[in-house]
Amino acid sequence: DGGITQSPKYLFRKEGQNVTLSCEQNLNHDAMYWYRQDPGQGLRLIYYSQIVNDFQKGDIAEGYSVSREKKESFPLTVTSAQKNPTAFYLCASSPTRTGLGNQPQHFGDGTRLSIL
Amino acid sequence: AQKVTQAQTEISVVEKEDVTLDCVYETRDTTYYLFWYKQPPSGELVFLIRRNSFDEQNEISGRYSWNFQKSTSSFNFTITASQVVDSAVYFCALYILTGGGNKLTFGTGTQLKVEL
Repeated sequence: DGGITQSPKYLFRKEGQNVTLSCEQNLNHDAMYWYRQDPGQGLRLIYYSQIVNDFQKGDIAEGYSVSREKKESFPLTVTSAQKNPTAFYLCASSPTRTGLGNQPQHFGDGTRLSIL
Repeated sequence: AQKVTQAQTEISVVEKEDVTLDCVYETRDTTYYLFWYKQPPSGELVFLIRRNSFDEQNEISGRYSWNFQKSTSSFNFTITASQVVDSAVYFCALYILTGGGNKLTFGTGTQLKVEL
């Protein structure tokens, strides 16, 4: 089945440690996105990529990094510079990079990151 | 700048009651799209509906209906005869054509609890 796979489902980070969240899609979508969800704050955009080897900062990019070496993969690294990383992280994709908005983003099941 | 407001943080109803979730948006653009997503306890976001700014027809899909009113910048969502399986967080989102990137601006969500 086509879809978006995020792994792991749960992740724990020690202080000062970098961790990488995986996001893979087999929908042949051009654009991919990372969101952070905190209780009562909805979804906030961290980074997005419209095409391979290109990505842009979203609203809350500080303390995060991404890469887009392959169309189907868009991993997110939560660095030690992110002082409050505990949150639910959602990856999404959409068919066209300049989309007319008439094609909704498709979401993965999310990764819940916690600090040890 | 775009903004989506979902003033209802949490709503509790008894099964079979009708319930309306409010969404108010702000944008200076004349062309935009509005979305509703459902987030069940499992975490993934499920697309429910898309509406473009030029189509003010209300829509009904089974027990779900949407009321789009440009005059009040609202895109409200009604569930008729609610069921326990409707319990979830519901997000309203806004997409603007200008600027590219297919970025969605989300509201903070409304937690709906349907009890027996």
